[in-house]
Amino acid sequence: GENVEQHPSTLSVQEGDSAVIKCTYSDSASNYFPWYKQELGKRPQLIIDIRSNVGEKKDQRIAVTLNKTAKHFSLHITETQPEDSAVYFCAASSTLKIIFGKGTRLHILP
Amino acid sequence: SAVISQKPSRDICQRGTSLTIQCQVDSQVTMMFWYRQQPGQSLTLIATANQGSEATYESGFVIDKFPISRPNLTFSTLTVSNMSPEDSSIYLCSVTGTVSRDTEAFFGQGTRLTVV
Repeated sequence: GENVEQHPSTLSVQEGDSAVIKCTYSDSASNYFPWYKQELGKRPQLIIDIRSNVGEKKDQRIAVTLNKTAKHFSLHITETQPEDSAVYFCAASSTLKIIFGKGTRLHILP
Repeated sequence: SAVISQKPSRDICQRGTSLTIQCQVDSQVTMMFWYRQQPGQSLTLIATANQGSEATYESGFVIDKFPISRPNLTFSTLTVSNMSPEDSSIYLCSVTGTVSRDTEAFFGQGTRLTVV
């Protein structure tokens, strides 16, 4: 089955700087790669996703890149703000079943 | 999108007892899943709830411990059986395959279970 590795587990960045979270997946059949944000005590919420036929996608301060050959995908957050502090999960899917990485706790430092 | 109602939102249970968690979606969905999330940890998939047939369990999870029902396209239950303190966790219902967003996963608010 699919296995998703995510790094780093914790990330601290100064407010205004950029944050990058990296993931790898194992199943070459996976074709959908969502990223979820989970704030403390709340349910995970989709922030951006990318499909395997696209190499990059951007939505305001958030961008995701995908290297299908290397089975790598990354989340980039620019101009970080205090409200970006949360846990971020990458995930991979091929059959509507989503497998999550272990998560990255992002701290935005004042 | 999909609006998911999950209940109970939390419970404290005695070891050896069972708890059934309900998940109700406001529209028909293709797939329903149950995840477990330890505080501060990732979402671990327990099983896929299949309509009208036995659930498909992930490695490490068995039907005797986590029986699941899905009688129709909008409702599912997860039972945590013969509970022990190690079962203390947050249990989340999730759906994919909505009419408007077929691949996006939507989550219920979770059930925080404490076993004493």
